[in-house]
Parts: sequence; C-alpha cells; structure tokens
Amino acid sequence: GESVGLHLPTLSVQEGDNSIINCAYSNSASDYFIWYKQESGKGPQFIIDIRSNMDKRQGQRVTVLLNKTVKHLSLQIAATQPGDSAVYFCAERREAAGNKLTFGGGTRVLVKP
Amino acid sequence: DTGVSQDPRHKITKRGQNVTFRCDPISEHNRLYWYRQTLGQGPEFLTYFQNEAQLEKSRLLSDRFSAERPKGSFSTLEIQRTEQGDSAMYLCASSLNEGGYEKLFFGSGTQLSVL
Repeated sequence: GESVGLHLPTLSVQEGDNSIINCAYSNSASDYFIWYKQESGKGPQFIIDIRSNMDKRQGQRVTVLLNKTVKHLSLQIAATQPGDSAVYFCAERREAAGNKLTFGGGTRVLVKP
Repeated sequence: DTGVSQDPRHKITKRGQNVTFRCDPISEHNRLYWYRQTLGQGPEFLTYFQNEAQLEKSRLLSDRFSAERPKGSFSTLEIQRTEQGDSAMYLCASSLNEGGYEKLFFGSGTQLSVL
C-alpha cells in the first residue's frame, strides 16, 4: 500500500552534534512534504516544508533534503540541543488525493547532555 | 495566543457515552482538519472543512462520528456511543494556503480515554 515511513524509530544524539532523520515515501505522485516535531502532550509543530520541485531547503538550524529518485526525505538538525528531543514525523501530500497529509510513524530523537 | 485551540485537553468517559470536542482554528485560516493519533503512531486523517463545507471524510470516520463547522469558524467533533477503541488523541489543525500548498498548524489535541 501507499505509505510514508521512517527508517529509525529512535535516534540518540549527543548535544551539539548534528542529527539526521530519514523518511521513505512510496508514492511518486507526492508533491509536497512537511516535517513536524511533536513533544510529549502536545500537537505536532510545523518545522519545515519542501515542494517536489526542490531538492533542498534550509531553515534555522534545519535542512530538508528530498531525493525523488529514491523517494527519500531527510531532516538534518544542526548542533542538536536538549530542546530538540521529541518525536519527528514526515508527512506527504498528493494533490490528486486531496489536500490531506499522510503521516509516517515517527522517529524519537533523544539528545544526551 | 493566536494558535489553534482545542477543548477539553483531556476527557475520560465510560463506554457508551457521547463526547464532544471543540476546535478553534487560527482566525484567518479557512480550512480545518481533524486527525486522530494513537500512542506511537502518526496522526491519521479523519475529515476536513473548507469554511463550513465538509469536503472529505476518511473511512476511519464511522457513523458514530460527526463533525460540524456551522459558521466556518470553530468546529466540533462528536463521538456517539463511545467504544474503548476510540481512545486516542484527537487533533485539530487549520491551514494556510500559500500558492496552492497548505501548511497545517495543529492544536494540542484532546486526549480521550474510554473506560
């Protein structure tokens, strides 16, 4: 079936190091992707988005890379901080299927001091 | 606070009871979404509105579930005859359309526990 998934369920990273979270998607018609951060007891928080006509987009301390050839998306967090500890979700949208986002299963990032 | 607001934050109910949740979206957003999330999983789409019109419903949304957005502003999600399997976090999101691409902004959710 069509799905958005993540390679690693848990990622432990030392404070100050860079983090890379990966996401695979299966539908080549997906045209828009968003990364969300979710802290315990809170709703998902928008981090960064990327359209399918782009390969890379940068925000504050975050970079999203999109490889459409292998249907792979990654989120890079520079100089990871304790406040980055959370579950990260990638979500995809296919315009032909309406505007709803389909979410993957999430990766938990644990930042060690 | 100008974010998406949901009420209540937590709801505990007995099986068979009806519950209603409310969502107040960001004021300038015309689309409103409901998602459901269980522990360790990503949010699953339930339904969405554009203004007051309900445009799509997921197959997850059984006939016990009903959502309304009567004036195109706040929305309610009602679950009738709750079952233990309804226990989940119910998330509301509203969206800002930028050049045909929508960024969804989520509220903090309503955590439902059905005993």
